[in-house]
Amino acid sequence: DAGVIQSPRHEVTEMGQEVTLRCKPISGHNSLFWYRQTMMRGLELLIYFNNNVPIDDSGMPEDRFSAKMPNASFSTLKIQPSEPRDSAVYFCASRRGTGNQPQHFGDGTRLSIL
Amino acid sequence: GEDVEQSLFLSVREGDSSVINCTYTDSSSTYLYWYKQEPGAGLQLLTYIFSNMDMKQDQRLTVLLNKKDKHLSLRIADTQTGDSAIYFCAVGNSGGYQKVTFGTGTKLQVIP
Repeated sequence: DAGVIQSPRHEVTEMGQEVTLRCKPISGHNSLFWYRQTMMRGLELLIYFNNNVPIDDSGMPEDRFSAKMPNASFSTLKIQPSEPRDSAVYFCASRRGTGNQPQHFGDGTRLSIL
Repeated sequence: GEDVEQSLFLSVREGDSSVINCTYTDSSSTYLYWYKQEPGAGLQLLTYIFSNMDMKQDQRLTVLLNKKDKHLSLRIADTQTGDSAIYFCAVGNSGGYQKVTFGTGTKLQVIP
């Protein structure tokens, strides 16, 4: 079975540009999570969707960040405008159900804002 | 909210056992997970345990849970160089949200 698929794997762009990160969850999983990982702050939950509906977006740093899940097989995380401090690895994870099932992670997008 | 703590670094010799520790604060935590992250990769689920269990063994991995002390450990027997990675403890509850909180991760270095 295919795991969580994220694209691109690497993104380098100049500050001020719009960045769009993409995620395809595992088929049949109805919960989706976006995380950010940095050396300083570790792994931070940005937003959590259940059945395509955002449930908790309290981790989204500021209005420059937005996330959508138009259908069960696709989600995007957008940063506009991007800033150097947004440089991090962004992970998407998905989970079957809402209970004890573990989250499965993609390989991440390494984002560098110059 | 939940707070999950891990030591940052552990160094062991190849062939020895490794024990990675984790403490958490929410006594209602129900599901406890261990993930492994290798360089340049995502978090890979290793194993998990429910709060009604004290121990779970899976090949070289043994998870111990002390609910009274809110302490979770992961023991890796016969540690190999391929076990070098960052290990994350994660704790979830059974409430309506089932939020999972991740620890800071422990970097395991295996010395040949």
